[in-house]
Amino acid sequence: QKEVEQNSGPLSVPEGAIASLNCTYSDRGSQSFFWYRQYSGKSPELIMFIYSNGDKEDGRFTAQLNKASQYVSLLIRDSQPSDSATYLCAVTSNYQLIWGAGTKLIIKP
Amino acid sequence: DVKVTQSSRYLVKRTGEKVFLECVQDMDHENMFWYRQDPGLGLRLIYFSYDVKMKEKGDIPEGYSVSREKKERFSLILESASTNQTSMYLCASSQGLAGTNEQFFGPGTRLTVL
Repeated sequence: QKEVEQNSGPLSVPEGAIASLNCTYSDRGSQSFFWYRQYSGKSPELIMFIYSNGDKEDGRFTAQLNKASQYVSLLIRDSQPSDSATYLCAVTSNYQLIWGAGTKLIIKP
Repeated sequence: DVKVTQSSRYLVKRTGEKVFLECVQDMDHENMFWYRQDPGLGLRLIYFSYDVKMKEKGDIPEGYSVSREKKERFSLILESASTNQTSMYLCASSQGLAGTNEQFFGPGTRLTVL
């Protein structure tokens, strides 16, 4: 059974600080990695995807991928209260997405 | 903008009833998915479809069936609802090779089976 693991949290971060979210996966053959954000009572929406080892930056968000260690992370710089949400990591495996259970992030003003 | 709509936001049914959940997408996507989301368990794939009249089982297909008669519409059927099917049901669609591209989600249907 392919797995994606995330710390459920909640992760509490002061406003303006860097939030660091981590995800590990079991399938060494995984090629695509996604971070989705889900506000309470809403459906998931894509923040970023990454395919290659290293960092990918988009505004305040940076995705980091390390295939050798089988982890992917999401950094949120200058955290805002509007970033408070559950962040879902999803990893491709045999043309399906395997989802982590999500990390709840709370940004404290 | 991609739009995925689901027939109901909230649904309450009784044990043994047949339940239909409908999903419609307006972006001509090849792939459509049905998930259920439960606290602490994340999203679990029930069924997906990569073409009209085609369907593939996901991780938890037992107790469910699906229908895709038109490209834009993907229906989830609970043949005989049970209390352990109380959950949030999310429909999603994507283009290209299934599982490799962004999935767009509908607003979800919260189903309660009494």
